Amino acid sequence: DVVLTQTPSILSATIGQSVSISCRSSQSLLDSDGNTYLYWFLQRPGQSPQRLIYLVSNLGSGVPNRFSGSGSGTDFTLKISGVEAEDLGVYYCMQATHAPHTFGAGTKLELK
Amino acid sequence: QVKLQQSGAELVKPGASVKLSCKTSGYTFSTSYMSWFKQIPGQSIEWIGMIYAGDGGTGYNQKFKGKATLTVDTSSSTAYMDLSSLTTEDSAVYFCAPITWWFAYWGQGTLVTVSS
Repeated sequence: DVVLTQTPSILSATIGQSVSISCRSSQSLLDSDGNTYLYWFLQRPGQSPQRLIYLVSNLGSGVPNRFSGSGSGTDFTLKISGVEAEDLGVYYCMQATHAPHTFGAGTKLELK
Repeated sequence: QVKLQQSGAELVKPGASVKLSCKTSGYTFSTSYMSWFKQIPGQSIEWIGMIYAGDGGTGYNQKFKGKATLTVDTSSSTAYMDLSSLTTEDSAVYFCAPITWWFAYWGQGTLVTVSS
């Protein structure tokens, strides 16, 4: 199975600070169809995951543009340009290029 | 708009089976794929498998073969997941999410607690 390594596991930030989360894959996530099926989700306590980014860098509908995704192959990054209080929770990357789909262990974003 | 309504929390005994449901509305269920996920509280998320509502074709995570069985009822636009021979390791929240719209929509989750 593809292993996704997320760093850091805990991220302490102040409101307004810009932060980044890394997601590294044990295999290239470039599919033979030319797409890279790498997603980012935010899960707030007691809630379902909320998809933020799809196909590496596409911002989901209704997702604030302070969120951005980048990367290729095996290295991917989620950036939040100016953390807001509503951004607190656990962030997960997920790959759906290879079966089975797999998730990173998560990055908990908390207030410093 | 797209809605996914999952069935309520379950308390089941070890060795028993349980059937979870995910009732959908707001989109064409019969030509879509549905994925199911497992999350033990405090841990990351695992992909269980997916089913194509058009013909019932399925794909499973090897880890969940023999544990989970995915089915659909296109007449009610509902996806189901049977979990069998339950153990305490199956205690978790289970989510459904259609692959359409790149996993933009998720059910609210069903908590399954396996306890004697």
